[in-house]
Amino acid sequence: GAGVSQSPSNKVTEKGKDVELRCDPISGHTALYWYRQSLGQGLEFLIYFQGNSAPDKSGLPSDRFSAERTGGSVSTLTIQRTQQEDSAVYLCASSLGTGRETQYFGPGTRLLVL
Amino acid sequence: RKEVEQDPGPFNVPEGATVAFNCTYSNSASQSFFWYRQDCRKEPKLLMSVYSSGNEDGRFTAQLNRASQYISLLIRDSKLSDSATYLCVVNPRGGSYIPTFGRGTSLIVHP
Repeated sequence: GAGVSQSPSNKVTEKGKDVELRCDPISGHTALYWYRQSLGQGLEFLIYFQGNSAPDKSGLPSDRFSAERTGGSVSTLTIQRTQQEDSAVYLCASSLGTGRETQYFGPGTRLLVL
Repeated sequence: RKEVEQDPGPFNVPEGATVAFNCTYSNSASQSFFWYRQDCRKEPKLLMSVYSSGNEDGRFTAQLNRASQYISLLIRDSKLSDSATYLCVVNPRGGSYIPTFGRGTSLIVHP
């Protein structure tokens, strides 16, 4: 079946511009996570959605970052007024339920802020 | 102490060698454990779950030691294609559903 998809696969933007990154999870997966991975670094948790519950935003690094999940499916991560330090790979993952199960990752969006 | 710690390596081994990685975790209430594999410029993919009794999948063996709070991954008869970064993942119990990823251990298998 279809896996997690993300778009765009690559994004180059200028400092100060806003960007939107999209994640389409596996059908039926209620849990959705956003992570960021800088070059040579580990995964940094950003935000977690579970069903219709309020998202856990504890990992968002600043108020320039926001995310939403519409209809319990597709999610969009928005970065406003991008900075060069926002350059990273943004990974989305989904899992069946509580988040204690296996996570399936999308291929990521490589963001470069010039 | 970091929540999940791994030796970053790299572990540089010849083909056919046996290599083992450990991962320590600080939350004694952690409930589930996984090893993921991440190839260069690719997303992490599940390698195997780690069960209390230990489990094996072909050349790969994973073990959990709750008393000492570590999990291990053993790779036998290493192949060139095993070269990757291996991420340890620990899922907590209770109110938090945020898994914690280790920073990964790099493995390079050479001819």
